Amino acid sequence: DIQMTQSPSTLSASVGDRVTITCRASQSISSWLAWYQQKPGKAPKLLIYKASSLESGVPSRFSGSGSGTEFTLTISSLQPDDFATYYCQQYNSPWTFGQGTKVEIK
Amino acid sequence: EVQLVESGGGLVQPGGSLRLSCAASGFTFSSYEMNWVRQAPGKGLEWVSYISSSGSTIYYADSVKGRFTISRDNAKNSLYLQMNSLRAEDTAVYYCARDNYGVGYFDLWGRGTLVTVSS
Repeated sequence: DIQMTQSPSTLSASVGDRVTITCRASQSISSWLAWYQQKPGKAPKLLIYKASSLESGVPSRFSGSGSGTEFTLTISSLQPDDFATYYCQQYNSPWTFGQGTKVEIK
Repeated sequence: EVQLVESGGGLVQPGGSLRLSCAASGFTFSSYEMNWVRQAPGKGLEWVSYISSSGSTIYYADSVKGRFTISRDNAKNSLYLQMNSLRAEDTAVYYCARDNYGVGYFDLWGRGTLVTVSS
C-alpha cells in the first residue's frame, strides 16, 4: 500500500500567518491527492482535490500544489475558523490518509 | 438537503457483531460509489471499505478483510457495514463517505457513528 507522511504533525500559528503543510507519498500518485479539514467532533470536509483543484465553496486562501510524491497545502492568511486538523489522502490505489497536521493557536 | 446519516453504532463485546447503516438523501444515491472510513479515538482517518454504484465491485482494507462486509440497497438509498468478530482495535467513529463519481476523493461525509468494542 502507498504510505502518506505529513509534516509537521503540529503547527502553531497566529491569525494572518501563511501556513504550509507537506504531504509525501511513498511512491508516485500523479495528482491523485485530496486535502481535508476536520474540526473536533465533526466529519472531515473536502478542501482540495486532484492536488490543486479547490472544492466549491472553499475560501480561496486555501491552495494546493505538487505532483508525483510531494504535495503542499497552503493557507495564505490564517483565519480563526482555520484552526483544525488537516489530512491528505491519496486515491491512486487504494485509499490512504496521512496521519494529520493539527494547526493550533500560537 | 444533500446528506448522509449513519446509525447502528454502540457498545459490543469482543467477538461480537454489529451492523451499521448509512441513509442517503438529496442526491441520486444509485449513481455514486460509497465508502466507509473510520477514526479511532484521538487518531487519524483510516479507509475501511468501498462499494461501486451497482454493488458489483467491493474492496476492503487488510485490517477488516474477512470480518466486515459492505453492501448497499439502492432502492432504499442505504449503505451498510456488517461487522463480525469485532476486536478492541475496531473501536472508532465510523463515517460513510460519498466518492465523487468514482474519481476517488470523498466529497460528502456523514456525521459518523461510534462503535465501542469492550468487555
